Amino acid sequence: GENVGLHLPTLSVQEGDNSIINCAYSNSASDYFIWYKQESGKGPQFIIDIRSNMDKRQGQRVTVLLNKTVKHLSLQIAATQPGDSAVYFCAEISFGNEKLTFGTGTRLTIIP
Amino acid sequence: EPEVTQTPSHQVTQMGQEVILRCVPISNHLYFYWYRQILGQKVEFLVSFYNNEISEKSEIFDDQFSVERPDGSNFTLKIRSTKLEDSAMYFCASKRGVSNQPQHFGDGTRLSIL
Repeated sequence: GENVGLHLPTLSVQEGDNSIINCAYSNSASDYFIWYKQESGKGPQFIIDIRSNMDKRQGQRVTVLLNKTVKHLSLQIAATQPGDSAVYFCAEISFGNEKLTFGTGTRLTIIP
Repeated sequence: EPEVTQTPSHQVTQMGQEVILRCVPISNHLYFYWYRQILGQKVEFLVSFYNNEISEKSEIFDDQFSVERPDGSNFTLKIRSTKLEDSAMYFCASKRGVSNQPQHFGDGTRLSIL
């Protein structure tokens, strides 16, 4: 299949610096977006979500930005820590559906 | 904090055999899901389940697959006659209500078909 051996984008960041992970989506009907963190051998862990009527939402050390015009989502992690090293997925869902569509994922490595 | 739990963590099965993967969703959640992740690939939706019936399913979820909520706490995925390409991590997820809310995932069952 076309996704066999999918190569994950990677991002290496010095501990204490800020990181930005980007995600593009294609479905104009998507109206709810979630960022998940996946550590090795574990399931996706909810980080933060945003609805399509918002363009920014902040959590503890994390901020999600949504640009519906260009169908772009980003996750900013402030003051990164070694425990932030993981694969980060964006996921989208459209109104009336139950299916989460996951993006490819980005592997974030925090350098001590 | 309540979490989704899945058993077993690793299941090894001969091709052609039936396998049942088990999940205990978060207790006050009403919507239940199965996803799978083939090694190195994206997480893919299989099926959603609400009010004791399937609400949505993907084309992956063919007649070999079935889901059941046999009691008030368990949610199971059965694969009737496993194939080599069913080898993957299978994740269960649950969600509390109908509005835009996050789905919470378990740590998965690694299914290896020999």
